[in-house]
Amino acid sequence: SQQGEEDPQALSIQEGENATMNCSYKTSINNLQWYRQNSGRGLVHLILIRSNEREKHSGRLRVTLDTSKKSSSLLITASRAADTASYFCAPHSGNTPLVFGKGTRLSVIA
Amino acid sequence: GAVVSQHPSWVICKSGTSVKIECRSLDFQATTMFWYRQFPKQSLMLMATSNEGSKATYEQGVEKDKFLINHASLTLSTLTVTSAHPEDSSFYICSAPPAGGPGDTQYFGPGTRLTVL
Repeated sequence: SQQGEEDPQALSIQEGENATMNCSYKTSINNLQWYRQNSGRGLVHLILIRSNEREKHSGRLRVTLDTSKKSSSLLITASRAADTASYFCAPHSGNTPLVFGKGTRLSVIA
Repeated sequence: GAVVSQHPSWVICKSGTSVKIECRSLDFQATTMFWYRQFPKQSLMLMATSNEGSKATYEQGVEKDKFLINHASLTLSTLTVTSAHPEDSSFYICSAPPAGGPGDTQYFGPGTRLTVL
């Protein structure tokens, strides 16, 4: 298992703005997953992008994956106060447990 | 989507006592479950992999005699914190990938907050 490194560690934006967070990893993957964690709660699976995909959308979420640069980005458009949470990426290969970095703490100010 | 539950959601205990935390997959079977621990403002740290019908696999630095894991059935794994001490106070989260699936997505429980006095 390998963990991703999210950047920035913290992000504060106004409601309605877009939020972009990045993830870098070190070795080849089968897929990369993004999760959200509200304070004091479990993780919620947001989106999975496979190594042969470059971009994926889900509602207001857009994820990109660049395997040549070993990086991914998560874009949240038209952010809402309810999007305030920590976001984690999880590069994944094989049938192994997910390992998490420090995440990006997003604060959306109303 | 698949649901994983944990019980209890929070527990306060005295130092020296043992606490059992349950992790259940409600609508799918899981031959493997994972246990994580999270301290305030930190990331989730993988503690161990729970395997149905066999011994758990512990990550380096995790005491297997202190954190007993039993994967009794395809829908239930338990973590028992034995002789708990204040430094064991943490947020414990389990997760499970559905058995027979591609092993990609893990579904996480809501977590159990343990406070040891």
